[in-house]
Amino acid sequence: QVQLQESGPGLVKPSETLSLSCSVSGDSVNSDTYYWNWIRHPAGRGLEWIGRIYSTGRIDYNPSLKGRVSIAVDTSKNQFSLKLTSVTAADTAMYFCAAGGYCDDTSCSLDEDTFSFWGQGTKVTVSS
Amino acid sequence: QSVLTQPPSVSAAPGQKVTISCSGSNSNIGNDYVSWYQHLPGTAPQLLIYDDNKRPSGIPDRFSGSKSGTSATLGISGLQTGDEADYYCGTWDSSLSSAVFGGGTRLTVL
Repeated sequence: QVQLQESGPGLVKPSETLSLSCSVSGDSVNSDTYYWNWIRHPAGRGLEWIGRIYSTGRIDYNPSLKGRVSIAVDTSKNQFSLKLTSVTAADTAMYFCAAGGYCDDTSCSLDEDTFSFWGQGTKVTVSS
Repeated sequence: QSVLTQPPSVSAAPGQKVTISCSGSNSNIGNDYVSWYQHLPGTAPQLLIYDDNKRPSGIPDRFSGSKSGTSATLGISGLQTGDEADYYCGTWDSSLSSAVFGGGTRLTVL
């Protein structure tokens, strides 16, 4: 069972950079069992996928956020991180990290339409 | 405005069955598998259904999924008060090159 836990500041000023970390237990961010995602949930709206990183080093971002977002892995801490620059009030949301893909009794698959495990989320407010 | 469309809320009595719809297009539901998630605020969202109709280990068979064309449906039978939560559908959109989700459906067990 993979467990994820988000951490980071709950308040960020407009135009500054939002930085969050996700600690992973039960698997290695270096393994090819899952890929690692950031997803956010603005209040009153649906979930929004931010981006993902694979153990191969491949990184994909939501085109709507491209240019402002970066995701990286810290293998020494078994964590992955999110940085979102030039934030505005529209970036206020609950931010989740999640393990993408799934494993059953016989095999694992890096399906891009499935998120098997999620963290509890961390609330980030953008305000001066 | 979410890419996938879900009803904002559904309700039913304990023991009854409820269905939650998720409508999309040829570039998402019509082109890839659908997954479903249960989210109780303050907790981690949980995967209920993947690959349209498969249940992860530990998910009871009261939860079922189906898909036809560009629409998918989550069914929950034998409703319990503990099923009160928000439910989200999700898939990959090949036109947007992004995972996409529905706006969520709040289930109330009366």
